[in-house]
Amino acid sequence: AQTVTQSQPEMSVQEAETVTLSCTYDTSESNYYLFWYKQPPSRQMILVIRQEAYKQQNATENRFSVNFQKAAKSFSLKISDSQLGDTAMYFCAFMKLPRILNYGQNFVFGPGTRLSVLP
Amino acid sequence: SQTIHQWPATLVQPVGSPLSLECTVEGTSNPNLYWYRQAAGRGLQLLFYSVGIGQISSEVPQNLSASRPQDRQFILSSKKLLLSDSGFYLCAWSAGTSGTSALYEQYFGPGTRLTVT
Repeated sequence: AQTVTQSQPEMSVQEAETVTLSCTYDTSESNYYLFWYKQPPSRQMILVIRQEAYKQQNATENRFSVNFQKAAKSFSLKISDSQLGDTAMYFCAFMKLPRILNYGQNFVFGPGTRLSVLP
Repeated sequence: SQTIHQWPATLVQPVGSPLSLECTVEGTSNPNLYWYRQAAGRGLQLLFYSVGIGQISSEVPQNLSASRPQDRQFILSSKKLLLSDSGFYLCAWSAGTSGTSALYEQYFGPGTRLTVT
């Protein structure tokens, strides 16, 4: 079974600074996807970024980027120029590719990191 | 565009009472649907998923059940609630598999906060 670990329960960063959230996972699969989701105080889960395991290039989305180290099974999220609106719980998630068409995609979520952006 | 709705937003129910939470998706057809539970300050636990009408898979044994009476409707139920059923329930959808990476993402509803007293 796959497991996802986020070793930082809470973090804080000053507005406009850069912060990195760590995520490690354990799997024997070779084809999988990794995601970062954000859950602000409203509790709406929002997809931040995704990474396909077969791609060596790290994904980026505006101020968000990842450092994907497949051999180390590490998938960290870097937030540049932090904004007050980035304050949220951040969840790392793993999904192995389903082998059967139209099979449900089972995500495994980490426990989350609570990020506070300070003014 | 696709939207996902959940209701009610909050619910307070006594122990032993029945439960029905509803989730509907608009703007897509034949979605995969999921029910998650999130305990306070913790991650998400997958409860059920469905790849089609009447097709339900359960991930963990529990006091809850799920049904999918229509293509874009997913219902979470219980005959008798337990205190341990309290939590935040999230419904999510994803498109069926087709080989492109964008179809693997899950999109979440606003959630239902359930308190069992």
